[in-house]
Amino acid sequence: EPEVTQTPSHQVTQMGQEVILRCVPISNHLYFYWYRQILGQKVEFLVSFYNNEISEKSEIFDDQFSVERPDGSNFTLKIRSTKLEDSAMYFCASSRGQRAQPQHFGDGTRLSIL
Amino acid sequence: GESVGLHLPTLSVQEGDNSIINCAYSNSASDYFIWYKQESGKGPQFIIDIRSNMDKRQGQRVTVLLNKTVKHLSLQIAATQPGDSAVYFCAENSNQAGTALIFGKGTTLSVSS
Repeated sequence: EPEVTQTPSHQVTQMGQEVILRCVPISNHLYFYWYRQILGQKVEFLVSFYNNEISEKSEIFDDQFSVERPDGSNFTLKIRSTKLEDSAMYFCASSRGQRAQPQHFGDGTRLSIL
Repeated sequence: GESVGLHLPTLSVQEGDNSIINCAYSNSASDYFIWYKQESGKGPQFIIDIRSNMDKRQGQRVTVLLNKTVKHLSLQIAATQPGDSAVYFCAENSNQAGTALIFGKGTTLSVSS
């Protein structure tokens, strides 16, 4: 069964450094998402992406965040200048359609900011 | 969605019992709902979904019930197995939210044999 894959599984970074989290969505999916989950809390929506553009973004997704689809398979989340509070699990997801479609998640990247 | 008195953060059952996990969603405009299972160290795994024009949907060993009047969603797992032990999340979507899924608080299901 096709799945969303994310790399790395764990990223440790010094505060203020830039990080790039990578995702390979399911190949025939057209919509891509990033969510985050702070330890012990709910999964929170960050951003959705379609046709090489951001569709929606949450208040969390401020100017330090950006997303990109650099080629036909990868989807990346960049955090420009990391803060301690960026420490969380970051999940990538993809879906076939825009609404009322299941979003399928990867196993996440654990980001630890020191 | 947020829970209003119906959400149990943990549920412990015996193997073979039926489990019922509840979720009270927050937005009356939500028209699509998903249940996810999250095992330790993994991402949310899709279990079953339901649209607001239905009140019940069945899968393999799972049933989702939707009560729009009281904004309540439940997941029933038949003959619960140790492999069902995980955190279960409900998520809702609406036109207002666009593509964003809004997740509820999770319920940790523990199955003992």
